[in-house]
Amino acid sequence: EAGVTQFPSHSVIEKGQTVTLRCDPISGHDNLYWYRRVMGKEIKFLLHFVKESKQDESGMPNNRFLAERTGGTYSTLKVQPAELEDSGVYFCASSPRDRLNYGYTFGSGTRLTVV
Amino acid sequence: RKEVEQDPGPFNVPEGATVAFNCTYSNSASQSFFWYRQDCRKEPKLLMSVYSSGNEDGRFTAQLNRASQYISLLIRDSKLSDSATYLCVVNPSYNQGGKLIFGQGTELSVKP
Repeated sequence: EAGVTQFPSHSVIEKGQTVTLRCDPISGHDNLYWYRRVMGKEIKFLLHFVKESKQDESGMPNNRFLAERTGGTYSTLKVQPAELEDSGVYFCASSPRDRLNYGYTFGSGTRLTVV
Repeated sequence: RKEVEQDPGPFNVPEGATVAFNCTYSNSASQSFFWYRQDCRKEPKLLMSVYSSGNEDGRFTAQLNRASQYISLLIRDSKLSDSATYLCVVNPSYNQGGKLIFGQGTELSVKP
């Protein structure tokens, strides 16, 4: 089966611009997660979708971040306007509905650099 | 205090060595535990889940001590290909719906 796909793999934008990251989960996976790793820090949870609904968005840093999952398939994470501290690697992951408490599959990430 | 703490290393070991990584977690209600492996500039990949009774997968053995809130990973007969960062990962509770808490990772470098 195809894995979790993220696009773009890299993005360099200027402070104040907008960037939209996309994640295509494994087909049929109801659970979709966004995580982020900023330099020198551990990977941190951003939010969790179950189908199209936001189950937990406690990790979203601020209102400059907007995540959507229309139709319960792919998801987008928009940063508007981007700030320097938003630089990092953004990972998406997915898991089947009945495997919430098992490890899940990560995409290869989007490396975002804000200059 | 971080929710999941690991020794960042790096651990530099020769091929064939046995190496052990330790991890502690702060939330005593945590439900699920994992070790992930992350190669340089790649995504984390699940290495193994960790069960209360301890579990083994080939050269890898994971242990969990709930009383001490301590997790370990033992790698026997290290290979060059084991060089990576090993992430201790905890699912804090069923109510958290699958959210994972990551340690900062322990870097392992296996030398010829």
